[in-house]
This record gives sequence, structure tokens and C-alpha cells, in this order.
Amino acid sequence: GAGVSQSPSNKVTEKGKDVELRCDPISGHTALYWYRQSLGQGLEFLIYFQGNSAPDKSGLPSDRFSAERTGGSVSTLTIQRTQQEDSAVYLCASSLVRGAMGNEQFFGPGTRLTVL
Amino acid sequence: AQKITQTQPGMFVQEKEAVTLDCTYDTSDPSYGLFWYKQPSSGEMIFLIYQGSYDQQNATEGRYSLNFQKARKSANLVISASQLGDSAMYFCAMRAYSSNTGKLIFGQGTTLQVKP
Repeated sequence: GAGVSQSPSNKVTEKGKDVELRCDPISGHTALYWYRQSLGQGLEFLIYFQGNSAPDKSGLPSDRFSAERTGGSVSTLTIQRTQQEDSAVYLCASSLVRGAMGNEQFFGPGTRLTVL
Repeated sequence: AQKITQTQPGMFVQEKEAVTLDCTYDTSDPSYGLFWYKQPSSGEMIFLIYQGSYDQQNATEGRYSLNFQKARKSANLVISASQLGDSAMYFCAMRAYSSNTGKLIFGQGTTLQVKP
């Protein structure tokens, strides 16, 4: 079975442009997460989707960030009017939800975003 | 507030020896899970081991074991018989279940280097 896939693997953009990052979770995983990892740092939670429930957007750093998940599968993270501080690796993860415990998240390879 | 602390930015270990990576956590949620992930230089996040707050026994997965001391709020990772391929960054993470959010809170990571 395929793992979590993300595209593009690398994205270089100019300050002020909009970017879209895509995540394709593992088939059958109902939970999907976006994280951001700045250079040499730990992962910072951005947003969480679970089934048809309203997403947990508590980690989005500003209103320039948004995400959607269509049909309970593929997700797109959009960053509008990019700033240099948005440069980071954006990681997507998915998991099963069996009960409430031990649902390890499986991560994609990430998208490295560089804002010039 | 929930927090994960990894106090060792970098560690060295001789090949074939055991090493302990420290992790302390803070949460007021009585139900939580603790995870360890490995991130090699290639960037992917690899799930290693999970410990639930109500688990009576310490988790083990092959050469990985988790030394869970609930009263001290610590969840140290023990790697036995280190191999050169264990050189990577290691992240401790926590998920609080009562708040019904799927997000993981990550520590800052520990870089492990295994010497031949």
C-alpha cells in the first residue's frame, strides 16, 4: 500500500505570491494533519481534519493560511501572500481512528517551501 | 498548556551500545499518549513507539523501549545495541485525548550520532 504522498516536493516562490500544497493520505485513513517544520526545529501543528467533523484550525498562524479536504481524502494547504517567514517544510500526516488511543500518524515526505 | 521538553540537543553513542534519549512532558489531561519518531537526514518522519498514559507496562518495539515514569512525567526512549543507521533526529510527541483533538505536540528533538 502506498504511503502518504505530497506534492510538490519543493516549491520556490516570490514573496507575495500564493502557493498550494497537496497531500494525498493513506487510503482508508479518516484523520489528516498538517504540520510545519522550520529549519532545525520540531514540528508545529497547523490543522487537523477528522471525517466530516469541523476541522481543528487552532494551529494556523494567520488568516493567510487555509486548508481544505475534499471528499474526505486529498487535502490542499493554501498560503496566500507568502512571506519569507513561511519558508519551512510542510508535512502532512494521516491516521486511522480506532477508539481514541495509539493512533500513530504516518507522515508524508513533506514539501519544502522557500519564499524569496 | 501541553508541552514536551527534550533537553539533549545532541547525543553521541558508540555502535552496539545502548543510549537513552530524554523526554519530559506536561499536561493536565489524564488521558494522553506519548510517541517517538525518528527523522533521518532524508527528512521522513518514522514512527517508532507509543505509550498510553494508562498502560501498565513500558512499551517495547524491537530495539526500542520506552521508560515511562508517570509520576515524574517522563517518557525516555531507550535504543539498545545502537547501529550506524540509528543516526538521526529523534522527536518525542504527545497527544491529549480528552480534548478530542488529534494534534501531536512535539519536542525540539535530539540529534543522535552513532560512532563506529
